[in-house]
Amino acid sequence: DAGVIQSPRHEVTEMGQEVTLRCKPISGHNSLFWYRQTMMRGLELLIYFNNNVPIDDSGMPEDRFSAKMPNASFSTLKIQPSEPRDSAVYFCASSLGQGLIDTQYFGPGTRLTVL
Amino acid sequence: DAKTTQPPSMDCAEGRAANLPCNHSTISGNEYVYWYRQIHSQGPQYIIHGLKNNETNEMASLIITEDRKSSTLILPHATLRDTAVYYCIAVSVRTDKLIFGTGTRLQVFP
Repeated sequence: DAGVIQSPRHEVTEMGQEVTLRCKPISGHNSLFWYRQTMMRGLELLIYFNNNVPIDDSGMPEDRFSAKMPNASFSTLKIQPSEPRDSAVYFCASSLGQGLIDTQYFGPGTRLTVL
Repeated sequence: DAKTTQPPSMDCAEGRAANLPCNHSTISGNEYVYWYRQIHSQGPQYIIHGLKNNETNEMASLIITEDRKSSTLILPHATLRDTAVYYCIAVSVRTDKLIFGTGTRLQVFP
């Protein structure tokens, strides 16, 4: 299995631009998670989906962030408009089970830099 | 969700056992102890988890005290590739939140 796939691996953009991060979970996994990691705040859960439905988005920082999961094999995290403080590494993870209690498998991350 | 406390850093000689402690004195009965690690710039990697009993797999052993207030992750024969940040997380079945703390930075030296 290829594992969780994220694209792009690196993204550099200017403040105000729209940014879209992509994630392909492991085939057969029912849950998908988006995390953000910064030096200041560590690793934070932003949102998670179960069977393509958003379950908990309490970690999404503000309305500029949105996430979708149109089908079981694809999810996007969009930031519009982007700001320099959004610079971070964004990880996607998936799990087999029906919630966070199951083992999560993480992707390699997308390093976002907003100038 | 129970808060976990870990030492910020530890060293271990290659080939020796690495024992990483974690304190979770407020853990409740429906919270599991999970361990993940993050090797530089990579996504976190699952290691092991347990509820009450000690657990062992191909990567590590997890020792949980009888009162469940603390646990120890044991890497039996540490290698240089085990250098990473290790996170101990109390995961509640009720809230299902995976909350990462600051972890322990383990440095394995030759």
